[in-house]
Amino acid sequence: ETGVTQSPTHLIKTRGQQVTLRCSSQSGHNTVSWYQQALGQGPQFIFQYYREEENGRGNFPPRFSGLQFPNYSSELNVNALELDDSALYLCASSALRESDETQYFGPGTRLLVL
Amino acid sequence: ELKVEQNPLFLSMQEGKNYTIYCNYSTTSDRLYWYRQDPGKSLESLFVLLSNGAVKQEGRLMASLDTKARLSTLHITAAVHDLSATYFCAIRGDTGNQFYFGTGTSLTVIP
Repeated sequence: ETGVTQSPTHLIKTRGQQVTLRCSSQSGHNTVSWYQQALGQGPQFIFQYYREEENGRGNFPPRFSGLQFPNYSSELNVNALELDDSALYLCASSALRESDETQYFGPGTRLLVL
Repeated sequence: ELKVEQNPLFLSMQEGKNYTIYCNYSTTSDRLYWYRQDPGKSLESLFVLLSNGAVKQEGRLMASLDTKARLSTLHITAAVHDLSATYFCAIRGDTGNQFYFGTGTSLTVIP
């Protein structure tokens, strides 16, 4: 059973650029959630995808968008990058409709916006 | 405004001692999660608590949930250095699939 993987591990962009982050969910999981974790803070929920549809969204602007594919992998896209977007981006997969919906986190992508 | 608050934010304790981390939340939720994060690493799921009065234990860690008080505790028994990490609690909000994390408790166990 493979765990949650994310790519790339690190990324440096400049303000105004666009970025795409990728996540492969754990085998058997149909739900992917994305989080932003700034240094020294707790993760902030961006959105969740279930069966290719957005299934919940946190307080993030529309320039944060996502996709989920038929194999349940997912992308997070961020347009018009701002300096405050610098953070660790985590994805977590889970099996929605299971009793506890434990979320299994990937290693994260560390994004630096200059 | 929905809040998930943990205290203490920083905890330094000696090996062999017991201590409790508290997690208060301001809205109803049908589940509460505890996670561990080592420096520079991702989050590791520790517990999922689903009902009032739920108690789960794994090794030296025990988590409990009081949904009426909107309070969860993470109790550490006879701490060892390997438990040094940041611990987060999180809830799922009652208005759709949104997840809210606490501020985190940074635990350092001193030999």
